[in-house]
Amino acid sequence: ELKVEQNPLFLSMQEGKNYTIYCNYSTTSDRLYWYRQDPGKSLESLFVLLSNGAVKQEGRLMASLDTKARLSTLHITAAVHDLSATYFCAVVETSGSRLTFGEGTQLTVNP
Amino acid sequence: ETGVTQTPRHLVMGMTNKKSLKCEQHLGHNAMYWYKQSAKKPLELMFVYSLEERVENNSVPSRFSPECPNSSHLFLHLHTLQPEDSALYLCASSHPGPGNTIYFGEGSWLTVV
Repeated sequence: ELKVEQNPLFLSMQEGKNYTIYCNYSTTSDRLYWYRQDPGKSLESLFVLLSNGAVKQEGRLMASLDTKARLSTLHITAAVHDLSATYFCAVVETSGSRLTFGEGTQLTVNP
Repeated sequence: ETGVTQTPRHLVMGMTNKKSLKCEQHLGHNAMYWYKQSAKKPLELMFVYSLEERVENNSVPSRFSPECPNSSHLFLHLHTLQPEDSALYLCASSHPGPGNTIYFGEGSWLTVV
């Protein structure tokens, strides 16, 4: 059974600081997704990572994938309050269709 | 607005009631999903439909009954639920195949009393 673990689960950081959220998964995968969820809202797709070494950037967020280590990172650069949300990684097993989610990282950016 | 619309957004039902959640997507996708999001738990996949056929049932109790009449619509019929079934139910859709983003609806908040 595929397990997806995120850490930290809770992150409080100051504006302007950098930080990284980690996502580890337990079996081989050919797809990894990052989503953002604001309170009371649905999940918004941020990134889809498909291959080893893939790196994608959007604004202050950058995601990377190391399939050999079964690890993805979501790096936050110079955080701003608007980035406060819960961030989920989700993984699809190789040749599978089921999207398995991590528990989510609740990020709070303080002024 | 993701192109996936869920109704109702909020539902309170008694344990003996029968109700349904509805999901509609306008994205031309042919795979649709139901997920359950409970407090302090990861999102759980409930059902997957591809081309209107159920391809996955993730050990969901029979009090939840999905229906996919066509590739644009997905229902979740609810009957004799328990209080622990209270959660946010999220519908999603995608094109099948690797690398395709899965788009989520806004969710239906369900409270069972």
